[in-house]
Amino acid sequence: QVQLVESGGGVVQPGRSLRLSCAASGFIFSRYGMHWVRQAPGKGLEWVAVMWFDGSDKYYADSVKGRFTISRDNSKNTLFLQMNSLRAEDTAVYYCARGLYTNHYNGMDVWGQGAAVTVSS
Amino acid sequence: SSELTQDPAVSVALGQTVRITCQGDSLRSYYASWYQQKPGQAPILVIYEKNKWPPGIPDRFSGSSSGNTASLTITGAQAEDEADYYCNSRDSSGNQLVFGGGTTLTVL
Repeated sequence: QVQLVESGGGVVQPGRSLRLSCAASGFIFSRYGMHWVRQAPGKGLEWVAVMWFDGSDKYYADSVKGRFTISRDNSKNTLFLQMNSLRAEDTAVYYCARGLYTNHYNGMDVWGQGAAVTVSS
Repeated sequence: SSELTQDPAVSVALGQTVRITCQGDSLRSYYASWYQQKPGQAPILVIYEKNKWPPGIPDRFSGSSSGNTASLTITGAQAEDEADYYCNSRDSSGNQLVFGGGTTLTVL
């Protein structure tokens, strides 16, 4: 079945780095734009980043621009989020999500279960 | 980036109709999508491209849009519809996405 599974979350000190992975299965990963979305404890959803299906373009939320990098390996059906210079306010559950085939900006139709990231000294 | 504004909380009697709204300037140019999230679970897409249903979503959910406001309507709300609902759309640049603050729906 169509599935996204995040990994790589954990506890990290402020200023350090962490890389999240999202393994896709059950669909042709290389045909879909992919997103990262996060949710701080008790808060709402916040869009983080998007990458085109072929990796040709990517965009970020202002809150993470310059610190986070989205990438993908279509040969391994995997999406990544490299998070550098982490701050306490980056503490959240991070979800990867599949963009709609017709237009990846118009909706996210498959979500992973989330990876928890805690930034604390 | 642009903002999307939602009412923090809405309630509806079981079996009645409820509308959840989302306001933002970017909605004049771009589609809204809507997500349902229950405690401890990942969000689920319930409406996209203003008024389309993903497979498996009941047709009591519907979407509409006018001017700077998008709406999610639940016709005949059920107990299992109690959840947080988020709207989402592009911002004014067209390259970033933004979520509304979310609406907690209580079914009485």
